[in-house]
Amino acid sequence: AQSVTQLGSHVSVSEGALVLLRCNYSSSVPPYLFWYVQYPNQGLQLLLKYTTGATLVKGINGFEAEFKKSETSFHLTKPSAHMSDAAEYFCAVSDNTGGFKTIFGAGTRLFVKA
Amino acid sequence: DAGVIQSPRHEVTEMGQEVTLRCKPISGHNSLFWYRQTMMRGLELLIYFNNNVPIDDSGMPEDRFSAKMPNASFSTLKIQPSEPRDSAVYFCASTGGSYEQYFGPGTRLTVT
Repeated sequence: AQSVTQLGSHVSVSEGALVLLRCNYSSSVPPYLFWYVQYPNQGLQLLLKYTTGATLVKGINGFEAEFKKSETSFHLTKPSAHMSDAAEYFCAVSDNTGGFKTIFGAGTRLFVKA
Repeated sequence: DAGVIQSPRHEVTEMGQEVTLRCKPISGHNSLFWYRQTMMRGLELLIYFNNNVPIDDSGMPEDRFSAKMPNASFSTLKIQPSEPRDSAVYFCASTGGSYEQYFGPGTRLTVT
């Protein structure tokens, strides 16, 4: 069965500092991995995704994530945080054994301090 | 493209009343998902449809909840009777086969 673990329900960084949000997954087959972002009072929107190919994927707003099979990880990073990055971030996993069903992590709320 | 459309955006109702939430997926998408989000339980998958057929409803909390998808462009989630613990934000999402889900803006339900 698939599962997703996000380490840290809250992360606080200073503006301009590195953002690192951690995600580990469990999947019995090669996974499709996603990061979604949710701003207040909005639905989730896709930040980036990994399906196949290059293991370092770039997304919107300067975010990127690296798929590491040996570590079963898909951590999200951004070199320099901006105030507008404050939001909740969800890691998610899917595979081709469950239709298009996607398992979401519990979410990590990112706070950015001025 | 208008994206996933949900209505109403806010719903306040009294315990015991029937509540119907509506969703219009993105045109051409053939899978539709209903989620519930609360502070305590996070984002929960309630049910999902593929080509209008319910595939997995194991997340539907109890018989008070029901969902239908009569055609490719419309789905409903009904709660009857509603209870205060049903208060949450309900999201609808759709996908066209890329595994990437497109979420609607959600319906904030408050049951008093």
